[in-house]
Amino acid sequence: QQNVQQSPESLIVPEGARTSLNCTFSDSASQYFWWYRQHSGKAPKALMSIFSNGEKEEGRFTIHLNKASLHFSLHIRDSQPSDSALYLCAVSNTGYQNFYFGKGTSLNVIP
Amino acid sequence: DMKVTQMPRYLIKRMGENVLLECGQDMSHETMYWYRQDPGLGLQLIYISYDVDSNSEGDIPKGYRVSRKKREHFSLILDSAKTNQTSVYFCASSSSLGNYAEQFFGPGTRLTVL
Repeated sequence: QQNVQQSPESLIVPEGARTSLNCTFSDSASQYFWWYRQHSGKAPKALMSIFSNGEKEEGRFTIHLNKASLHFSLHIRDSQPSDSALYLCAVSNTGYQNFYFGKGTSLNVIP
Repeated sequence: DMKVTQMPRYLIKRMGENVLLECGQDMSHETMYWYRQDPGLGLQLIYISYDVDSNSEGDIPKGYRVSRKKREHFSLILDSAKTNQTSVYFCASSSSLGNYAEQFFGPGTRLTVL
């Protein structure tokens, strides 16, 4: 079974800072990598995904995947208070079957 | 508008009572999921359904059962609820088309078992 670990567990950063969130996984056959964001009291919502080694940028968010290191990360440029949320990474071997979620990183961006 | 709905949003039950949580989606997604979320434990998969009457156990199925008689509707049943089933339950759906299906989550049901 897949083991997905996130670090750090929680993070407090000032507004405007660059934030980095990490996710490691155990199954080298994993193919699909997601970041979900969950604001307090709300449903998780997909933020970004990546399916091949390398980097993908969407606005202030960048996702980086290194399959050989069993590691992917989410970087937030110019962090905003509205980015404060629980960030969940998810890994899947097939896109439509089991996602394995990490326990999450709680991000708090201070104005 | 792509949407996953859950009913009820809040529920308080006594230990030993039966619980029915309902989930609907309007996207004709084949695959649906039930998760529970507890502080510090993240999202734990209870059951996954690949289509009508095609259900598989997830990581923590004990104490739960599911029913899917229509593609757009997926129910989670707790027979004789226990206090350790107090949690927030999320339903999700995804399409099996393509290989990178995004999961869409409902708003959650907060269940308290006294």
